[in-house]
Amino acid sequence: DQQVKQNSPSLSVQEGRISILNCDYTNSMFDYFLWYKKYPAEGPTFLISISSIKDKNEDGRFTVFLNKSAKHLSLHIVPSQPGDSAVYFCAASANGNKLVFGAGTILRVKS
Amino acid sequence: DAGVIQSPRHEVTEMGQEVTLRCKPISGHDYLFWYRQTMMRGLELLIYFNNNVPIDDSGMPEDRFSAKMPNASFSTLKIQPSEPRDSAVYFCASSYGLAGVHGELFFGEGSRLTVL
Repeated sequence: DQQVKQNSPSLSVQEGRISILNCDYTNSMFDYFLWYKKYPAEGPTFLISISSIKDKNEDGRFTVFLNKSAKHLSLHIVPSQPGDSAVYFCAASANGNKLVFGAGTILRVKS
Repeated sequence: DAGVIQSPRHEVTEMGQEVTLRCKPISGHDYLFWYRQTMMRGLELLIYFNNNVPIDDSGMPEDRFSAKMPNASFSTLKIQPSEPRDSAVYFCASSYGLAGVHGELFFGEGSRLTVL
């Protein structure tokens, strides 16, 4: 039972354009959402998060949007850079409990 | 701080052999997690500890898997006997608090296990 789903295994974007990574969840109790980025041969690193009381959080080129009614969140990267090429994991937690991760989306930014 | 340290980085073994993966969490962190990454399932939580005590091992796939945390600075994940389907990258992570609310997870670089 996958509570957090990233339905796109991969995404390819041209440098300078917007990258949009999507994540859907099924557990309505989730109240905190995070994105992690992972480069090859490295561990995932925290990128950005959002609480369920907000619908948007921005940090430089990265913005996360949360649509609670649709149980959907997305990560926007503008402008995309070749160094953004990585695997992006969406994660969620409920009431401060353990994080549940999605399967990841491979982003390739072409120069 | 050196971050979360895992060893070995790579392990190749034959089916039936015992495998032990090691982790040193970030000093002061009170939670330690073991994750497994596969192409099919992404990042799966296997087990986590709070103050060296195992709290939730519901993600441990079989009795062949076991984990210990004898002290605040060391944890092991053991697979005995290993099988080819155990081939994956195993990550250890630590944090203050259980989830991102209190601070994000800090992952090690992972141990890539190949069971032939």
